[in-house]
Amino acid sequence: DVKVTQSSRYLVKRTGEKVFLECVQDMDHENMFWYRQDPGLGLRLIYFSYDVKMKEKGDIPEGYSVSREKKERFSLILESASTNQTSMYLCASSDTGLTSNEKLFFGSGTQLSVL
Amino acid sequence: AQSVTQLDSHVSVSEGTPVLLRCNYSSSYSPSLFWYVQHPNKGLQLLLKYTSAATLVKGINGFEAEFKKSETSFHLTKPSAHMSDAAEYFCVVSDSGSGNTGKLIFGQGTTLQVKP
Repeated sequence: DVKVTQSSRYLVKRTGEKVFLECVQDMDHENMFWYRQDPGLGLRLIYFSYDVKMKEKGDIPEGYSVSREKKERFSLILESASTNQTSMYLCASSDTGLTSNEKLFFGSGTQLSVL
Repeated sequence: AQSVTQLDSHVSVSEGTPVLLRCNYSSSYSPSLFWYVQHPNKGLQLLLKYTSAATLVKGINGFEAEFKKSETSFHLTKPSAHMSDAAEYFCVVSDSGSGNTGKLIFGQGTTLQVKP
């Protein structure tokens, strides 16, 4: 089974802190994604990556950056956390190919609270 | 632009009764449509997928969905609900087509409650 592991299940940070959310997948997938999930809004794409050292903005990239130095690891960075970034963050991966992007394998999520 | 609307934010059924979760989509192209399920404290999991083959798609755990182009709908159904079906369900459309990236666009989610 594909496993996507997010390093923390719950995280509490203070406004202005730099926050790192880590995600690791074990199936040699090319593509990795970061979403945030908010009640009533579904999932919204923050950033994604189709290759090592490659990144593309999703629908809501403001206030976030990402890093993909190794194929299996995709990090989401909040440069200066704000209260409106309190959310559930979901990492996902998928294999190569346009339609393969459509079957995503998700981690269990990190619930981030910014106080 | 593609979009998807889940018509109910919360659905409650009794165990053993049918389930209907409603989804309407908007797409300029022949869409790919999906249902994902999220059980509490678990990652999202693909339930089923429609990609212009048969309009009635069967998924895991007894769920199925029917693509109706005339109604722009892709409702999820199950004949008999089980307690383990309680979860959040997301209807999803892919923007693949005409050079798009195949990015997934998620609906707002429907929480299914199953009462004993």
